[in-house]
Amino acid sequence: DIQMTQSPPSLSASLGDKVTITCQASQNINKYIAWYQQKPGKAPRLLIRYTSTLESGTPSRFSGSGSGRDYSFSISNVESEDIASYYCLQYDNLPLTFGSGTKLEIK
Amino acid sequence: QVQLKETGPGLVQPTQTLSITCTVSGFSLTSYYMQWVRQTPGKGLEWMGFIRSGGSTEYNSEFKSRLSISRDTSKNQVFLKMNSLKTEDTGVYYCARDMDAWGQGASVTVSS
Repeated sequence: DIQMTQSPPSLSASLGDKVTITCQASQNINKYIAWYQQKPGKAPRLLIRYTSTLESGTPSRFSGSGSGRDYSFSISNVESEDIASYYCLQYDNLPLTFGSGTKLEIK
Repeated sequence: QVQLKETGPGLVQPTQTLSITCTVSGFSLTSYYMQWVRQTPGKGLEWMGFIRSGGSTEYNSEFKSRLSISRDTSKNQVFLKMNSLKTEDTGVYYCARDMDAWGQGASVTVSS
C-alpha cells in the first residue's frame, strides 16, 4: 500500500497569510493526488484533483503542485471560511490512501 | 442536482453485521464508480472499496474478508455490508460518487 505522509498535523495562520501543506507518497504516484477540505460534522469536499486541477467552485486562492512522490497544497490569502481540516488522497494505486490530515486554525 | 444519502442502523453490537444503504439522485449508477470511505477516531479516513459503473468491485484488503459492496440500479441504491464488527469500526461511513460528490455520512457506533 502507498503511504501518504502529510504535514504539518496542524497549522495556525493569520487572515491573509499563505499556508502550505505537503504530502509525500511512499512511491511515485504520477500526479494522481487530490486534496479535500473537511469542516466539523461535514463530509470531505473535493477541492483539487490531479495535483493542480481545481474543481468547479473551488476559489482560486487554493492551488496544488508537485510530481513524483512530493506534493503541496497552498491557500493564499487565508480567509475565515478556510478554517477546516485538509486531507490528501492518492488514487494512483489501489487501495486508495489518505494523508492523516492538517487542521488549519486562525491565530 | 447530485445527491447522495446514507442510511444506517446507528448502533450495532460487536460481532454483528453492518448494513448501510446509499441512495442517490441526479446521476446514474451505471455511469460512475461508487466508493465507500469511512472515518474513524483511530485511523482517520480509510478507503473501503468501490463498485464500478459496470458492476464489478474492488476492496481494500484491510476489509476484504468481511466487506461486500453491491447495488440496485433500478432503485438508485448502493449497499455496504460488513460483518464481524468490532468496537474499532465505530465511525462515520460515507458513500461517494467517484471522488467528487459525497453523502452526509452515516454515524455508526459498535457497542454492546
